Amino acid sequence: DAEITQSPRHKITETGRQVTLACHQTWNHNNMFWYRQDLGHGLRLIHYSYGVQDTNKGEVSDGYSVSRSNTEDLPLTLESAASSQTSVYFCASSEDSSYNEQFFGPGTRLTVL
Amino acid sequence: DAKTTQPPSMDCAEGRAANLPCNHSTISGNEYVYWYRQIHSQGPQYIIHGLKNNETNEMASLIITEDRKSSTLILPHATLRDTAVYYCIVEQTGANNLFFGTGTRLTVIP
Repeated sequence: DAEITQSPRHKITETGRQVTLACHQTWNHNNMFWYRQDLGHGLRLIHYSYGVQDTNKGEVSDGYSVSRSNTEDLPLTLESAASSQTSVYFCASSEDSSYNEQFFGPGTRLTVL
Repeated sequence: DAKTTQPPSMDCAEGRAANLPCNHSTISGNEYVYWYRQIHSQGPQYIIHGLKNNETNEMASLIITEDRKSSTLILPHATLRDTAVYYCIVEQTGANNLFFGTGTRLTVIP
């Protein structure tokens, strides 16, 4: 069955380190998204991509970057991790269509010490 | 910016219908109403969406008022597994960006 996976599921890192969170989907969806979720804020969009070589900034993109070299993967990189980036990160994908049904991964819990 | 207003929490008895309201008084003519839910510690899950007409699928029904300024998500026979945070989202067709807000925490009580 097609799916969307995230790795690692849990990560502890130190301030200043570079961290990359992986997202992989097997639906062949063109659209992929990264969100973060913090208490009291719901989900906030970090970056998104509408296809290979396409990336766009979301609401809270500072300190994060993404690259899209193939359809299946959209890795999220924290260039220099900060304690404010401690959060749960969700990846999602959707197909090109007239409506926006996004399929979400299980999430990655990141702790920056 | 939030385009929707939802109550922060609601309770529902198991087996009864859960009616979750959402106000979206500034909705534009080409904006859809989406509902997602998030069960504890999992990623959000799409439930249903609509533009003008009422919609029903295997999970829920969506009732949109004639002026489109509010809507209600109906879970016809709530079960304990329906305990989750429910998000009402207004999104322009083709925009691909969902603003989740803080949603309504629905607790289904045995």
